[in-house]
Amino acid sequence: EVQLVESGGGLVQPGGSLRLSCAASGFTFSIYWMNWVRQAPGKGLEWVANIKQDGSEKYYVDSVKGRFTISRDNAKSSLYLQMNSLRAEDTAVYYCARGDFWRGYGYYYYYMDVWGKGATVTVSS
Amino acid sequence: DIQMTQSPSSLSASVGDRVTITCRASQSINSFLNWYQQKPGKAPNLLIYAASSLQSGVPSRFSGSGSGTDFTLAISSLQPEDFATYYCQQSYSTPYSFGQGTKLEIK
Repeated sequence: EVQLVESGGGLVQPGGSLRLSCAASGFTFSIYWMNWVRQAPGKGLEWVANIKQDGSEKYYVDSVKGRFTISRDNAKSSLYLQMNSLRAEDTAVYYCARGDFWRGYGYYYYYMDVWGKGATVTVSS
Repeated sequence: DIQMTQSPSSLSASVGDRVTITCRASQSINSFLNWYQQKPGKAPNLLIYAASSLQSGVPSRFSGSGSGTDFTLAISSLQPEDFATYYCQQSYSTPYSFGQGTKLEIK
């Protein structure tokens, strides 16, 4: 069964740090882009970051640049999100999601087709 | 950054109805548009990718259309399990922004 399982969430004070992990199983992790997407309480979805198969390319939303770092360990089929200098507005459920491509009409269309159940991060004093 | 705007923000409908949700991008995104369904307390579920391609396992009552800046998600005959929140998302360029969501409720 294709599965993603996040861990590492919890309560942290403003300015603190937290590291999320995402364990993949049921598919060849090393051949996929991977993403983090978050959802603040009662709000919509926000894409946070993604990373290429070999870790050579990483992209972030502006609001986390310089504070969050996405990384992966293909030998362990694991994705990570190191979150530093946390703020109250970072409070959210963080989802790990697999990225895939469909080749059509001369383009490679990107989408997120497998999602974990999410890890809750609460930033509060 | 590309802004995605969905309409309506909420929608009431009955089982068996046909409903449409629209999504507009702040610039042309070709067909780099995906649709997701999310139920309360659950992770999002991919419905449509590349604007009109149905994800494997998704019922054929779901369909997507559009290109450029204007897109539509249609559900041909609403089933009880379709009452949820729907999000569009552009994958034309990072950051991969989502629409604000459309909550589909039972009338």
